[in-house]
Amino acid sequence: DAGVIQSPRHEVTEMGQEVTLRCKPISGHNSLFWYRQTMMRGLELLIYFNNNVPIDDSGMPEDRFSAKMPNASFSTLKIQPSEPRDSAVYFCASSTYQALRANTGELFFGEGSRLTVL
Amino acid sequence: AQSVTQPDIHITVSEGASLELRCNYSYGATPYLFWYVQSPGQGLQLLLKYFSGDTLVQGIKGFEAEFKRSQSSFNLRKPSVHWSDAAEYFCALLYGNKLVFGAGTILRVKS
Repeated sequence: DAGVIQSPRHEVTEMGQEVTLRCKPISGHNSLFWYRQTMMRGLELLIYFNNNVPIDDSGMPEDRFSAKMPNASFSTLKIQPSEPRDSAVYFCASSTYQALRANTGELFFGEGSRLTVL
Repeated sequence: AQSVTQPDIHITVSEGASLELRCNYSYGATPYLFWYVQSPGQGLQLLLKYFSGDTLVQGIKGFEAEFKRSQSSFNLRKPSVHWSDAAEYFCALLYGNKLVFGAGTILRVKS
């Protein structure tokens, strides 16, 4: 049973370049989350989707960040233009909305995409 | 506001010794709490979770956690630590269909 799949695992880019991170949630899950992990700020929720619809994007740091979920099996997090302070590990997680609402679910995390912006 | 506090940034224990990682939460209703573990370069893996029922929850890898409403705590314990337990541990609270994480505790195991 495949877990949450993220790509790329590692990305090194130069300041000003566009970065696209990808996520494939677990099949059948209808909630998807993007988290960012840094030493200074820990794990921060950037945005989450229910049934492909963005529900809460209050954690998205700036307009340079955008996220889409065109279908139930794919989501992207885009940074344009990237800056060195965006360097972090970005995690995608998925779950079942109904289970979370019923307090019986959990989030399943991908292995993360480590982004370095030079 | 809803929050999770892990007071210890680093903890070092000897292999075979017991372990307790502290977690305190702030939440007005019945909390739904989790402990996740993150090995270096890896994603987060669920150790255990609590919503209701027995306040002592058993998880994977020999971990357990006890929910104490009076202390707003959900501490993680293990009676005998193995070198492979060295990792970062996160306590989390489910709020509004999203997880709020503590800052994490890095566990070092010395032989």
